[in-house]
Amino acid sequence: QVTLKESGPGILQPSHTLSLTCSFSGFSLSTYGMGVSWIRQPSGKGLEWLASIWWNGNTYNNPSLKSRLTVSKDTSNNQAFLKVTSVDTADTATYYCAHTRGTTLFDYWGQGVMVTVSS
Amino acid sequence: DIQMTQSPASLSASLGETVTIECLASEDIYSNLAWYQQKPGKSPQLLIYYANSLNDGVPSRFSGSGSGTQYSLKINSLQSEDVSIYFCQQNYDSPYTFGAGTKLELK
Repeated sequence: QVTLKESGPGILQPSHTLSLTCSFSGFSLSTYGMGVSWIRQPSGKGLEWLASIWWNGNTYNNPSLKSRLTVSKDTSNNQAFLKVTSVDTADTATYYCAHTRGTTLFDYWGQGVMVTVSS
Repeated sequence: DIQMTQSPASLSASLGETVTIECLASEDIYSNLAWYQQKPGKSPQLLIYYANSLNDGVPSRFSGSGSGTQYSLKINSLQSEDVSIYFCQQNYDSPYTFGAGTKLELK
């Protein structure tokens, strides 16, 4: 059974760095074809894919966030991480991590973690 | 980036009715189209992938079709538990983009 759970700071100030952790079970990020992606959703709005990391260490980021994103993994502890630098109020959203397979299909999602950027 | 245009933005239907939601891609995505259901206060769940393949555990009243740039999600015999927001997503090319969503309510 695949499960994922996000954790993060809840609230942070503008210009700071957002660090999120995705803790998962039921699969390994060292297994061929497995990936974890990060997707966010501002309250009452749509979904935005942010980044994906794959079993082989390859990472893909959404160019709209330029170089602000870093995604990484700790395979031995079944965790994936997302860092977003220089946050501002536009980064306020619920952040989801999702198990990713095949041609970037998000087939299992975490419950999401709400992040508020405010001074 | 590939733009995904969903219609309608909202939809009201009666129990037992059949509803259809459309998704138009700004370029050919070769059936690399997924549909997600997001119930109120919950995470999205994958319903359909590769335009017409039903994900495990999804009721057979859901179906997907389409090719090229035009795709649709059909729900037969609407149930109360289908009240949700539905999103399409292209997984053909990065950045992987979603439609704005269709809010389905009961009449």
